Amino acid sequence: GENVEQHPSTLSVQEGDSAVIKCTYSDSASNYFPWYKQELGKRPQLIIDIRSNVGEKKDQRIAVTLNKTAKHFSLHITETQPEDSAVYFCAASQSFQKLVFGTGTRLLVSP
Amino acid sequence: DVKVTQSSRYLVKRTGEKVFLECVQDMDHENMFWYRQDPGLGLRLIYFSYDVKMKEKGDIPEGYSVSREKKERFSLILESASTNQTSMYLCASSSGEPGEKLFFGSGTQLSVL
Repeated sequence: GENVEQHPSTLSVQEGDSAVIKCTYSDSASNYFPWYKQELGKRPQLIIDIRSNVGEKKDQRIAVTLNKTAKHFSLHITETQPEDSAVYFCAASQSFQKLVFGTGTRLLVSP
Repeated sequence: DVKVTQSSRYLVKRTGEKVFLECVQDMDHENMFWYRQDPGLGLRLIYFSYDVKMKEKGDIPEGYSVSREKKERFSLILESASTNQTSMYLCASSSGEPGEKLFFGSGTQLSVL
C-alpha cells in the first residue's frame, strides 16, 4: 500500500521568511496530493491540492509542486505570518482509494 | 458549509468499557471516515464507509468496529476499551471519490483509564 513520509517534523521561521515542507510517496499510481492545515485545537482543513497531471499550483502565498518521477511533492509558503503557525499534513491517494497522510509538520512562525 | 459533528469533545472511559463515538454529517456525502490522531504519527485511518451498511478496514482497524445504518451517521465502536486507545478521534466525510477533499469534525479526545 501507499506510504507517505513527511519532513521536517518541526519547522521554525521568522515572520516574512519562506517555509518549505516536503513529502515523498511510494505508490507511483497515486494521482491526488492534498495538503491540510490544522491550527491548535481545531480540525484539519484542506488548503491546497494538486493532481498528477499538473506540476505546480499556486494560491496566493501558498504553492505546491509535484515531481512524479521522484515521487515527491512540496508545500511552499512565502511571506509567512504568525497565523500560518499550525500543523501541516500532506497526503496521497489514487483514484477511488483512501487518502494516506504523512506524519505532520509543526510550523512555528515567530514575529 | 459542510458540517461534520462529533457527539463529544472529551470522553473519559474505563478499561474494558464499550465506547461509542458518534459522527453526523449534513451534506449527503457518500463517504465517511474515522481517523485517530497521535503525536508524531499523523492521521491514521481506522475504518471508512462508501455507502450505508458498507464498511472497509483502514490501516489500524484492530480493536474497533463501525456502524453505518443511515447515510448521515457513522459510528465508531470500541468493543472493550484499552489504555492504548487513548487518542484524538477524528471523523470526516467526502463526496465523490473516496480520496477527495475531506471535511473533518472537531474531534473527540478519548482518555481510557
